[in-house]
Amino acid sequence: SQQGEEDPQALSIQEGENATMNCSYKTSINNLQWYRQNSGRGLVHLILIRSNEREKHSGRLRVTLDTSKKSSSLLITASRAADTASYFCATDAISDYKLSFGAGTTVTVRA
Amino acid sequence: DAGITQSPRHKVTETGTPVTLRCHQTENHRYMYWYRQDPGHGLRLIHYSYGVKDTDKGEVSDGYSVSRSKTEDFLLTLESATSSQTSVYFCAVTAQSSGNTIYFGEGSWLTVV
Repeated sequence: SQQGEEDPQALSIQEGENATMNCSYKTSINNLQWYRQNSGRGLVHLILIRSNEREKHSGRLRVTLDTSKKSSSLLITASRAADTASYFCATDAISDYKLSFGAGTTVTVRA
Repeated sequence: DAGITQSPRHKVTETGTPVTLRCHQTENHRYMYWYRQDPGHGLRLIHYSYGVKDTDKGEVSDGYSVSRSKTEDFLLTLESATSSQTSVYFCAVTAQSSGNTIYFGEGSWLTVV
């Protein structure tokens, strides 16, 4: 079963706007990671946030983690057409090297 | 890029035939994984390996077997392909030096007709 679930399933925004997507998970975790997948390609790692961290930044990406609510959010600021992709959150349960993925959020950035 | 190569990248096969997908990595990663990706399901773990000859089942392992006879190669075999196994298959490795970040190959598109 999927550990992480992203919301919304799809998101369409204008270039320059911010995009926010959320991830909820069920069990205690070591880390939460976000990945991007362009159409027809493999997944690319974006950012990892550890369970003892609350916020992390990488370029135009901002990730938050609320372990009490078992949720995370990914914010992409000043979106570009190249940000059009599917975004997945993935969690690894404590003492486990396996990642569980959600079904993803498909983001479309309109020019 | 964690030095992962998948082969074949595209394959069409007939129902009932065996199929083997190969994952090759060049960076001596200990952990390797096979996932399948289907619309509406995200990525689901088929099998994984935590060392040579050490493998274990994931959540959708029925109809699949794996082998890892050397560190760099992780093979996924569909013993008798079925149409429900039409999917995109991704190999991945864990880079423990990067805090358990998983790096993915480019995928193998398999169609079972």
